Amino acid sequence: EAQVTQNPRYLITVTGKKLTVTCSQNMNHEYMSWYRQDPGLGLRQIYYSMNVEVTDKGDVPEGYKVSRKEKRNFPLILESPSPNQTSLYFCASRDRGRNEQFFGPGTRLTVL
Amino acid sequence: RKEVEQDPGPFNVPEGATVAFNCTYSNSASQSFFWYRQDCRKEPKLLMSVYSSGNEDGRFTAQLNRASQYISLLIRDSKLSDSATYLCVVNPSRNGNTGKLIFGQGTTLQVKP
Repeated sequence: EAQVTQNPRYLITVTGKKLTVTCSQNMNHEYMSWYRQDPGLGLRQIYYSMNVEVTDKGDVPEGYKVSRKEKRNFPLILESPSPNQTSLYFCASRDRGRNEQFFGPGTRLTVL
Repeated sequence: RKEVEQDPGPFNVPEGATVAFNCTYSNSASQSFFWYRQDCRKEPKLLMSVYSSGNEDGRFTAQLNRASQYISLLIRDSKLSDSATYLCVVNPSRNGNTGKLIFGQGTTLQVKP
């Protein structure tokens, strides 16, 4: 089944404790992205990647890191999480020549 | 000004009604436009792309007005199952060949029996 998976789905952590949210897609897509979704602000792009070892900042990259060492994986790293990073996070991927973007199921992160 | 703006609603309509949503975008160089649907904090899913000539998919019609920089979504004969948040999405690049996408905050539709 073609899909984007994220782990964990839910996470409660404390300020300053490094965490990684994994994202994996099995569709051989070139493009992958991370978004956060907050009430009243909609989905905002954090980082995106157009291929292995190619990443670029989205609209709200501060406080986040990403890496793209393999085509299928695009982990999101929070080196020192803060409460303002409490949000719903989505990973997504799409094929270079196509419009449809496939989203993972989301990760609900709470930073205390 | 936000790059992509939508009226958040909610739009409360009876079953069978026709409802229309608009979305405006600020970057005149944008070439690709989409409507996504999102159910209750689940992942967004592509509803339809928006083409210059307008396009229709069953009860859904999407239109693009480049001169005024807005896109629209028309839903005819609303069903209870149409209740969701509709996200306007714009690819801001000239050739569409970029990973960057900009989402509107979404318009919530509630269809009542």
